[in-house]
Amino acid sequence: ETGVTQTPRHLVMGMTNKKSLKCEQHLGHNAMYWYKQSAKKPLELMFVYSLEERVENNSVPSRFSPECPNSSHLFLHLHTLQPEDSALYLCASSQAHSYGANVLTFGAGSRLTVL
Amino acid sequence: AQSVTQPDIHITVSEGASLELRCNYSYGATPYLFWYVQSPGQGLQLLLKYFSGDTLVQGIKGFEAEFKRSQSSFNLRKPSVHWSDAAEYFCAVGPPTDSWGKLQFGAGTQVVVTP
Repeated sequence: ETGVTQTPRHLVMGMTNKKSLKCEQHLGHNAMYWYKQSAKKPLELMFVYSLEERVENNSVPSRFSPECPNSSHLFLHLHTLQPEDSALYLCASSQAHSYGANVLTFGAGSRLTVL
Repeated sequence: AQSVTQPDIHITVSEGASLELRCNYSYGATPYLFWYVQSPGQGLQLLLKYFSGDTLVQGIKGFEAEFKRSQSSFNLRKPSVHWSDAAEYFCAVGPPTDSWGKLQFGAGTQVVVTP
């Protein structure tokens, strides 16, 4: 595996379900990000983990719960979602505290549909 | 307030013709500037970036961009487009720091390439 891998690629869930999105990076980076991409809207930064500590939480509802167990893995736990949460969720990574801190490498995304 | 504007939501260009995508930003200081491309069903791929120095930046796939401080612009160009360039293009800005990335994205420009 190379780059940033996201699973599952597609997920359909009901509003009462609990599911998780997984992201794994194979680049040796130490910062990981969750972005939300909705139709006709700019990408929204949701969470940032740098050196396994959450450094950014952009007023994201508590029904989204991130977890970063180590520098290579990032999860987004989903609980009691709303239909408006349907979107493409993109994971990215970068090398924090370096010249490349702003150079994000993205995964292919997880397409979430909430019924 | 910080913002990134891509004035063109949709551009149609003939194969072999030149392409220019516009990006304007509003930022407190000169930010780091990026262009990403997203093909259908894929994540974002970095085309090029500007941190400092030469204001004409070369990227992958034959793309280049020019930073114009006086106009707060970072327009993307390609002299001759190929059918494979059909995709959505995103301009992004980030703070000129090396801690971790906090990119703000424009809403994107969809490029359609006709034969």
